[in-house]
Amino acid sequence: ELKVEQNPLFLSMQEGKNYTIYCNYSTTSDRLYWYRQDPGKSLESLFVLLSNGAVKQEGRLMASLDTKARLSTLHITAAVHDLSATYFCAVDRNSGNTPLVFGKGTRLSVIA
Amino acid sequence: GAGVSQSPSNKVTEKGKDVELRCDPISGHTALYWYRQSLGQGLEFLIYFQGNSAPDKSGLPSDRFSAERTGGSVSTLTIQRTQQEDSAVYLCASSPPGTLQYFGPGTRLTVL
Repeated sequence: ELKVEQNPLFLSMQEGKNYTIYCNYSTTSDRLYWYRQDPGKSLESLFVLLSNGAVKQEGRLMASLDTKARLSTLHITAAVHDLSATYFCAVDRNSGNTPLVFGKGTRLSVIA
Repeated sequence: GAGVSQSPSNKVTEKGKDVELRCDPISGHTALYWYRQSLGQGLEFLIYFQGNSAPDKSGLPSDRFSAERTGGSVSTLTIQRTQQEDSAVYLCASSPPGTLQYFGPGTRLTVL
C-alpha cells in the first residue's frame, strides 16, 4: 500500500526566513505533485515532478524529487505572508492517470 | 478556459436523506476522480473514471456511495441514507491522459 508522509504538519515561520517541507513515500513512483490549498478553497497545482533529480522553481518555492530516496522537498525562500496556506504532496499509485495518494498536508503560517 | 465545476457548492441535509453531487470536468479530459476531504482523514480517494467506466472504486467507503459518469463528461456522486460521518468536502478532479489532475472548488456536505 502506498503511503505518503509529510513533515512538518504545522509550520510557523517568520517573514524572510527559509524552510523546507519534506515528503516521503513508501513505494516506487516517478510522479510527484505539490498542491497548495487556501482556507475554504480547492487545490491549486504548484509543481509536477516527473523524474529523478527533477527540480522546479516558481517564485519563492522550489521543489525537488529524489526517486531513489523516495523523497521530495519543497523549499521556501525568504517567506512572505502570501505563502501562508496548506501544502500537500501527492503521489500517483501507478505513474500516471491513476488516483493520487496525498500526504496529510503542511499548514504553513508566515508571520511578521 | 473553464475549469472543473461542481454543484452545489454547499449542501446541508438531514441524516437518512439521499444527496447527489455533480461534477463537470474540463472539456476533453478523459479521466475523472472523486476525493473526499475531512478534518480527521485528510484527502481520501473515492472513485476514478476513465471515460464512462470506473476501473477503480476501491475508495468508496460503503455501498451507500455510488457514482456514474455519462457521455465521458459529467459525473454524479450519490450518497444514500446519509450519515453524520459523511460530512466533508467532496472534491472532483479531471485530467487528460497521464498528467496533472485539476481540482474543482468542491461541495461542502453537512449532514445534520
